[in-house]
Amino acid sequence: GAVVSQHPSRVICKSGTSVKIECRSLDFQATTMFWYRQFPKKSLMLMATSNEGSKATYEQGVEKDKFLINHASLTLSTLTVTSAHPEDSSFYICSARPTGIGETQYFGPGTRLLVL
Amino acid sequence: DAKTTQPPSMDCAEGRAANLPCNHSTISGNEYVYWYRQIHSQGPQYIIHGLKNNETNEMASLIITEDRKSSTLILPHATLRDTAVYYCILPSVGAQKLVFGQGTRLTINP
Repeated sequence: GAVVSQHPSRVICKSGTSVKIECRSLDFQATTMFWYRQFPKKSLMLMATSNEGSKATYEQGVEKDKFLINHASLTLSTLTVTSAHPEDSSFYICSARPTGIGETQYFGPGTRLLVL
Repeated sequence: DAKTTQPPSMDCAEGRAANLPCNHSTISGNEYVYWYRQIHSQGPQYIIHGLKNNETNEMASLIITEDRKSSTLILPHATLRDTAVYYCILPSVGAQKLVFGQGTRLTINP
């Protein structure tokens, strides 16, 4: 149980294009999902908290217009990297917290983005 | 979130118990201790969590000191697949966020 999927697992795109990453909780509902970014040999950095049916809360320094988050249902959140640039190349990971059950978060397998 | 301190790296022989320490001297009364691990190029995996009492599941045991200022994650019979970075995290109740530190890089040696 508590499986989270991400799609795609890896994506290569040209500079200036937009990329959408999906995060799905497969066997539970998640009012809250989270998006993280991880650079090589670094720890995970929280980008934003996504709440179903409301606007996402972004961490300091994260541009909300560049990283668009939509949490339209209790099992799906999407992260769109708009006008991607090479410096946006990173490992993007989502997590989901089962509704009403403590603080435990379950993580997706991650999406590796390479912007050329 | 309360700050945690972990050793940057540890080694353990395959088949032996791996004991990973975590200091959290500023922990507050209602904060849980959570452990996650991240195997290379994968998303973090939940291991275990506890508040006061020691906890055990199919993956590991968590020993929390009586004053709750430190804890130890125990992998009873480490395998090569347990090589990963292990994170000790104290999410604030209600804040919902997990703040990842640098963790402990555990290497299991054959």
